[in-house]
Amino acid sequence: SQELEQSPQSLIVQEGKNLTINCTSSKTLYGLYWYKQKYGEGLIFLMMLQKGGEEKSHEKITAKLDEKKQQSSLHITASQPSHAGIYLCGADPFPGGNEKLTFGTGTRLTIIP
Amino acid sequence: DTAVSQTPKYLVTQMGNDKSIKCEQNLGHDTMYWYKQDSKKFLKIMFSYNNKELIINETVPNRFSPKSPDKAHLNLHINSLELGDSAVYFCASSQRRGLAGADTQYFGPGTRLTVL
Repeated sequence: SQELEQSPQSLIVQEGKNLTINCTSSKTLYGLYWYKQKYGEGLIFLMMLQKGGEEKSHEKITAKLDEKKQQSSLHITASQPSHAGIYLCGADPFPGGNEKLTFGTGTRLTIIP
Repeated sequence: DTAVSQTPKYLVTQMGNDKSIKCEQNLGHDTMYWYKQDSKKFLKIMFSYNNKELIINETVPNRFSPKSPDKAHLNLHINSLELGDSAVYFCASSQRRGLAGADTQYFGPGTRLTVL
């Protein structure tokens, strides 16, 4: 079931612009995972955050987990057509990391040349 | 109303047994998926069906066989279960819209399979 809220649901950005996608929960997140879905493929793992205030970067994508561990943001700098797709956040609902992930509602990103 | 449902949610079985996990979606979607969540929470796609037709078949042991009786159902059958099959398996569905772009996948609650 989808228990994390993502915003926006859909985002259209001109190539070269920066953008941010948010993933919010009313409960503490014990592990936050960002995935990207490409057309016709499964989910591609991007990053995982665990500690409050943690920030990770991979190429032009930066993900942060807030201090309260209830919200994560995914920021893309100087967006490119290859960034287009659907971004999905997933989270551990309990500590220990031994539970099933719950998932956000997804954000569709379109990049306009 | 549950959009994507899986049964059972928990499955404990002995090595060597054959078991099935069922998935049903009531969203009217055309495409369904099976993923395996590994110990690091990576989701690895196993299979994808579109309108009962297999479109993605990643490298999984042939002991795993998906079956789609209709587009609302995609079941996963596993023969001769091994210890390494223990994992959480997720079913998902999406509404394919041709080449315009991918659609959000809606996930089921997952099935935790434990092989003893």
